[in-house]
Amino acid sequence: DTGVSQDPRHKITKRGQNVTFRCDPISEHNRLYWYRQTLGQGPEFLTYFQNEAQLEKSRLLSDRFSAERPKGSFSTLEIQRTEQGDSAMYLCASNGRVNTGELFFGEGSRLTVL
Amino acid sequence: AQTVTQSQPEMSVQEAETVTLSCTYDTSENNYYLFWYKQPPSRQMILVIRQEAYKQQNATENRFSVNFQKAAKSFSLKISDSQLGDTAMYFCAFMRLNTGTASKLTFGTGTRLQVTL
Repeated sequence: DTGVSQDPRHKITKRGQNVTFRCDPISEHNRLYWYRQTLGQGPEFLTYFQNEAQLEKSRLLSDRFSAERPKGSFSTLEIQRTEQGDSAMYLCASNGRVNTGELFFGEGSRLTVL
Repeated sequence: AQTVTQSQPEMSVQEAETVTLSCTYDTSENNYYLFWYKQPPSRQMILVIRQEAYKQQNATENRFSVNFQKAAKSFSLKISDSQLGDTAMYFCAFMRLNTGTASKLTFGTGTRLQVTL
């Protein structure tokens, strides 16, 4: 399968713990995105990488969130000191073209904070 | 800021019938794209159809077509000859141009479509 893959698919954690999600985009895509989807809502943009450079961050991305893409391939999204409000589906997407709006999504990582 | 509204939380259609999903949006931009994305149960979201705002002709992709009314800021999706595999959550989305290189989409809250026998 050469699509976008995310790991883990599900994560249950206690409030205050740190969690990390990984995303492997489609290999030839140099643009990578993180979106967050809460129950009953559509996805919301969090951050964007072009190659290894993080070019944009939403104000939704608080100081407890950090994303990296060290070699321009896979990306990680870390949430420190998780809160119950962080419970959501974290979606990774990639694309290789400018402003077409076609995003190739992974299946998501579902976070539940108890 | 842009907003996207989908006023139909759930819809149902019988197999082989036609269904129309509604979407309205609000923007002051003149150059933008509109999309319908499909999210099947427990599977990844995929693009169904895209419409460039500068094009007057409505986009069509096989059984999927849109009715784009720019002045009314309306963008509905018509699914013809519905199939069981069309069962999914459908999201309407907006993307303004001139956002640099990022595909930053604003999504609606979705319409859950159930196709029945």
